[in-house]
Amino acid sequence: EAGVTQSPTHLIKTRGQQATLRCSPISGHTSVYWYQQALGLGLQFLLWYDEGEERNRGNFPPRFSGRQFPNYSSELNVNALELEDSALYLCASSLGEWKLTGNTIYFGEGSWLTVV
Amino acid sequence: GQNIDQPTEMTATEGAIVQINCTYQTSGFNGLFWYQQHAGEAPTFLSYNVLDGLEEKGRFSSFLSRSKGYSYLLLKELQMKDSASYLCAVRDGGYNKLIFGAGTRLAVHP
Repeated sequence: EAGVTQSPTHLIKTRGQQATLRCSPISGHTSVYWYQQALGLGLQFLLWYDEGEERNRGNFPPRFSGRQFPNYSSELNVNALELEDSALYLCASSLGEWKLTGNTIYFGEGSWLTVV
Repeated sequence: GQNIDQPTEMTATEGAIVQINCTYQTSGFNGLFWYQQHAGEAPTFLSYNVLDGLEEKGRFSSFLSRSKGYSYLLLKELQMKDSASYLCAVRDGGYNKLIFGAGTRLAVHP
């Protein structure tokens, strides 16, 4: 069974441009999460989508946005790129329904975004 | 506020046992996860605790005390491949998001 897949693996953009990152969740998962991991720093929560709706977002400016499609795949858009946006962007997925046994979040391999 | 604390770095010897501690203060709690992350790779799931006590899974065990806001990950019979960052993450009760600690970099030496 395929895991969480992300594209592109690497992306280089110029300051001020826009970047679009894509994610396909594990089959059957309806929740998609986006995290940013800057070099040497921890994972910072960006966005959570479930059943096509944005359910929660982290402490990031509005130029970070995204959406979830009817097939539960998702894309993350970063507008007006800044140098400090350079980071590994991780997508993760889980079952949408919370259960006592826990719905583990599984991560993709990430997309490396470099802003120059 | 939300705060998850872990030691920044730890070292251990191959074949030994190491315990990585995690303390948390979050607005809600709906489970604690441990992930392993090798440099340049995505985190991989190790363990999950939602009730107090010890969960054992092979060489890895995880313990949770909700009243103390405390967890630890125990790694036994350490191998060189266990050199990685270990991330403690708490699921925020009402918001279904994982809040991660900064991670503990473990170096295993021969």
